[in-house]
Amino acid sequence: NAGVMQNPRHLVRRRGQEARLRCSPMKGHSHVYWYRQLPEEGLKFMVYLQKENIIDESGMPKERFSAEFPKEGPSILRIQQVVRGDSAAYFCASSPQGSSQSYEQYFGPGTRLTVT
Amino acid sequence: AQSVTQLGSHVSVSEGALVLLRCNYSSSVPPYLFWYVQYPNQGLQLLLKYTTGATLVKGINGFEAEFKKSETSFHLTKPSAHMSDAAEYFCAVMRGSGYALNFGKGTSLLVTP
Repeated sequence: NAGVMQNPRHLVRRRGQEARLRCSPMKGHSHVYWYRQLPEEGLKFMVYLQKENIIDESGMPKERFSAEFPKEGPSILRIQQVVRGDSAAYFCASSPQGSSQSYEQYFGPGTRLTVT
Repeated sequence: AQSVTQLGSHVSVSEGALVLLRCNYSSSVPPYLFWYVQYPNQGLQLLLKYTTGATLVKGINGFEAEFKKSETSFHLTKPSAHMSDAAEYFCAVMRGSGYALNFGKGTSLLVTP
């Protein structure tokens, strides 16, 4: 069973460009979470999605950031008009539906975004 | 709101010595608490979790943690450090939205020969 997959692993964008980060959850998982890790800091929750629904986006910046998890295909975190402050590692995690017994999330390896 | 505070951003221990990484939580509801480990340039791996039941939780790689409600703490310990334990350790508490987590700022563990 493949783990959570994220691509690309490294992404370099110039200021003003768009960044698209992809996350394929573990097989059978229908809950996806995005986190951002700034240098020297812990992970900050951004958004929680289920298939075709955004459940909690309270951690998302109000502008330029959006996320989706379509019925088919990976979850996408999109950052428009990137700025240097967006440089960070972005982690995706997934969990199975109804997993009240385990409450576990499984993390991908992350995408390291560098804005030049 | 649920939050955690990790005391000490850097901890250094000798190989074979006791490892103690501190975590205190704040929660308006019974907390679900987690410890994760992150090796350089990798994702996070779950070490152990506390949800309900026994307050002493055993995890992988010889780590364990004890939930102490009276002290609002969930400290991580390992009796004997190994060089391979050098990594970043994160304490986390469940937010209450699905299984999303609020993380502490992390503690970097250095193990010296």
